[in-house]
Amino acid sequence: KNQVEQSPQSLIILEGKNCTLQCNYTVSPFSNLRWYKQDTGRGPVSLTIMTFSENTKSNGRYTATLDADTKQSSLHITASQLSDSASYICVVSDAGGYQKVTFGIGTKLQVIP
Amino acid sequence: DARVTQTPRHKVTEMGQEVTMRCQPILGHNTVFWYRQTMMQGLELLAYFRNRAPLDDSGMPKDRFSAEMPDATLATLKIQPSEPRDSAVYFCASGRGRDQPQLFGDGTRLSIL
Repeated sequence: KNQVEQSPQSLIILEGKNCTLQCNYTVSPFSNLRWYKQDTGRGPVSLTIMTFSENTKSNGRYTATLDADTKQSSLHITASQLSDSASYICVVSDAGGYQKVTFGIGTKLQVIP
Repeated sequence: DARVTQTPRHKVTEMGQEVTMRCQPILGHNTVFWYRQTMMQGLELLAYFRNRAPLDDSGMPKDRFSAEMPDATLATLKIQPSEPRDSAVYFCASGRGRDQPQLFGDGTRLSIL
């Protein structure tokens, strides 16, 4: 069964600090991996999309890495801001099409002053 | 900025009533998705369309849920009859293709009493 596991479930960090969120998956065959940011009461917003051949992708202060061999991804947030407080969701698609989409439960990040 | 628009934003109704949720995807996007999000299950894909044709709706309970795209500017998700376990946030998203970002609406928060 395809699974996506995220860790930690929740995280509190001080403003200005860096943090790294983890995503491990068992989805096969792999198509792409997405990281989303979801603010409370809003829809998810796409941060990065990585295919098999990509091992890193940046979007401002967000940098995602992918190791397709170990089936692990990480999302690194640099110089955190209060507005980074949100849930971060890892989503993995297999090569079978959009119907084979597996979602992580998310990591809830709180940035405090 | 272009946005996916969902209506209504909130809906409270009694068990057994019909519920219709509407989505206006972004002009030019050829894929439309319906997702459901609960605290316990997280996000799950219900259905998706490409060029207005339903490609997969295996994530939906067929006996009560139906999804349609009567035209390129409107997607609908109906529940009839509704049940308390359908209470969730329903998101619509649209995109241009497999490895392209999906833009989400802000969801319909549905409560079935």
